[in-house]
Amino acid sequence: KQEVTQIPAALSVPEGENLVLNCSFTDSAIYNLQWFRQDPGKGLTSLLLIQSSQREQTSGRLNASLDKSSGRSTLYIAASQPGDSATYLCAVRDTGFQKLVFGTGTRLLVSP
Amino acid sequence: NAGVTQTPKFRVLKTGQSMTLLCAQDMNHEYMYWYRQDPGMGLRLIHYSVGEGTTAKGEVPDGYNVSRLKKQNFLLGLESAAPSQTSVYFCASSPRWRDSSKNIQYFGAGTRLSVL
Repeated sequence: KQEVTQIPAALSVPEGENLVLNCSFTDSAIYNLQWFRQDPGKGLTSLLLIQSSQREQTSGRLNASLDKSSGRSTLYIAASQPGDSATYLCAVRDTGFQKLVFGTGTRLLVSP
Repeated sequence: NAGVTQTPKFRVLKTGQSMTLLCAQDMNHEYMYWYRQDPGMGLRLIHYSVGEGTTAKGEVPDGYNVSRLKKQNFLLGLESAAPSQTSVYFCASSPRWRDSSKNIQYFGAGTRLSVL
């Protein structure tokens, strides 16, 4: 059974710092991995999707990497801003049909 | 752009009561999903649908029923609510792509349900 773990559970940094969020999964047979952002009281917004054949994806200040063989992904946020404060979730698309397996998230707080 | 809309946003039930959560999407997506989110457990798939008139069980289907009578709507029903069903419920939808690895799910804002 696929299990997804995110470390740390919470992170607090001052504005401007570069930071890395970690995601690990137990079964390397995945189709893709997605990073989502969740704001309090709101739904999830997809940030980046990395296909199993890719090593990384970039969108603005965000860069996500994937090492499928070791079951790890990282989300790098450059020059963090208070508006980046949210919970970040990673999810892997398992071998089941359209099924996403989610991690429990990292709650990020960026202080001015 | 409405995207995925869930109603209601909040609800409090007593044990044994029934209710239906409504999810509507205006993106003409084929696939729709219901998840629940609990502290420390991440999102878990309850049921999903790959098209109008079809539904399938996810990871935690017990105690829930679903229906997809129209392509744009996906209903989640609780026939006899239990305190263990206190959670935040999210609906999502996604298009059907030939290359399914490009499939991205779009989420609603969630329904907070408390069962007393």
